[in-house]
Amino acid sequence: EPEVTQTPSHQVTQMGQEVILRCVPISNHLYFYWYRQILGQKVEFLVSFYNNEISEKSEIFDDQFSVERPDGSNFTLKIRSTKLEDSAMYFCASTKGDPSDGYTFGSGTRLTVV
Amino acid sequence: RKEVEQDPGPFNVPEGATVAFNCTYSNSASQSFFWYRQDCRKEPKLLMSVYSSGNEDGRFTAQLNRASQYISLLIRDSKLSDSATYLCVVNVAWGKLQFGAGTQVVVTP
Repeated sequence: EPEVTQTPSHQVTQMGQEVILRCVPISNHLYFYWYRQILGQKVEFLVSFYNNEISEKSEIFDDQFSVERPDGSNFTLKIRSTKLEDSAMYFCASTKGDPSDGYTFGSGTRLTVV
Repeated sequence: RKEVEQDPGPFNVPEGATVAFNCTYSNSASQSFFWYRQDCRKEPKLLMSVYSSGNEDGRFTAQLNRASQYISLLIRDSKLSDSATYLCVVNVAWGKLQFGAGTQVVVTP
């Protein structure tokens, strides 16, 4: 079964450092997303991306965050200057298009900011 | 009012029993609805989409009531492997999912 792949599975970084989280969506999917889940809390939408541009973003997705699809397969989330409160599990997701198809999530990157 | 609200549980269910729980959502313009399952510290996995006509997938039955803005999930003949957190998920705009905090189900032998 096709899957969304995320690397690394766990990233520890010092406060103020830049991190890049990587995702390889399912190959025939057209829409890509980042969500995050702070430990013990619900999953929260960050950003959606289609046709090489951001479709929608949440209030969480401020100027410290950016996304990119640098080539035909990777989809990255960059946090420019990490804060302690950025510590969370970050999930990438992709979908073909029709929302009723449901979304396939990657296994996540656990980001720990120290 | 929370955007997507769920009873956190836990629902302690004997193996073989039936368990059901609901979720309410606040955005009447929501377009599609899902139940996801999340195991501890893992990614959400799609369990089923939810339709107004109701739909069934094996031991799982989901129902949507748009007028009252709630979604339900029923699990029949519970298995130990059904122990997980069940996430009610609402698609409020293209690509933007709102998640409930989850309902924990614990199936006991």
